[in-house]
Amino acid sequence: DTAVSQTPKYLVTQMGNDKSIKCEQNLGHDTMYWYKQDSKKFLKIMFSYNNKELIINETVPNRFSPKSPDKAHLNLHINSLELGDSAVYFCASSHGTGRTGELFFGEGSRLTVL
Amino acid sequence: SQQGEEDPQALSIQEGENATMNCSYKTSINNLQWYRQNSGRGLVHLILIRSNEREKHSGRLRVTLDTSKKSSSLLITASRAADTASYFCAPELSNFGNEKLTFGTGTRLTIIP
Repeated sequence: DTAVSQTPKYLVTQMGNDKSIKCEQNLGHDTMYWYKQDSKKFLKIMFSYNNKELIINETVPNRFSPKSPDKAHLNLHINSLELGDSAVYFCASSHGTGRTGELFFGEGSRLTVL
Repeated sequence: SQQGEEDPQALSIQEGENATMNCSYKTSINNLQWYRQNSGRGLVHLILIRSNEREKHSGRLRVTLDTSKKSSSLLITASRAADTASYFCAPELSNFGNEKLTFGTGTRLTIIP
């Protein structure tokens, strides 16, 4: 059983379009995240959610809008896509208690903006 | 801002040799974690060392932590071809915990058969 699953795995789209990436975790975790990994492999946190509430927004442009309908899901919607949005986006989850401990990552969603 | 910085950026060794990767960070931490990323895959947690620990072992992995120097090292002994991957350190900042776990660009390790 996949613990953290993201769809789609690959996404190719034109500049200016709007797209969404979905994430689901079946680990019963309280906290979920979105990370962006650029072409140099730098992995940067974008958002953290705890029990459906946004707790970290790491100066991400407001074209990016995360939505957490419940604890097990965290989706990422991106408006007006730009070339610089091309990257691999990773969803992750962790236990929320104590704000410490390991993260469980999905397999990533590779977004290519043409 | 980038907190964990891995060094070297790339490392190639012969199978069976030991591989050492280093990590430096900037502020006080609760703990420090190491992750592995195989090509085209997500990150997988390897080991966590708490700020009051100096050394920790897990199988062929040995992690050290020196909070006075704000540095950590990951040693993989008796390397195997399957260890080829990128390795990331992630300092868990005291102010934020794992809500804002920060990573660097990783060390790309290649094991030559």
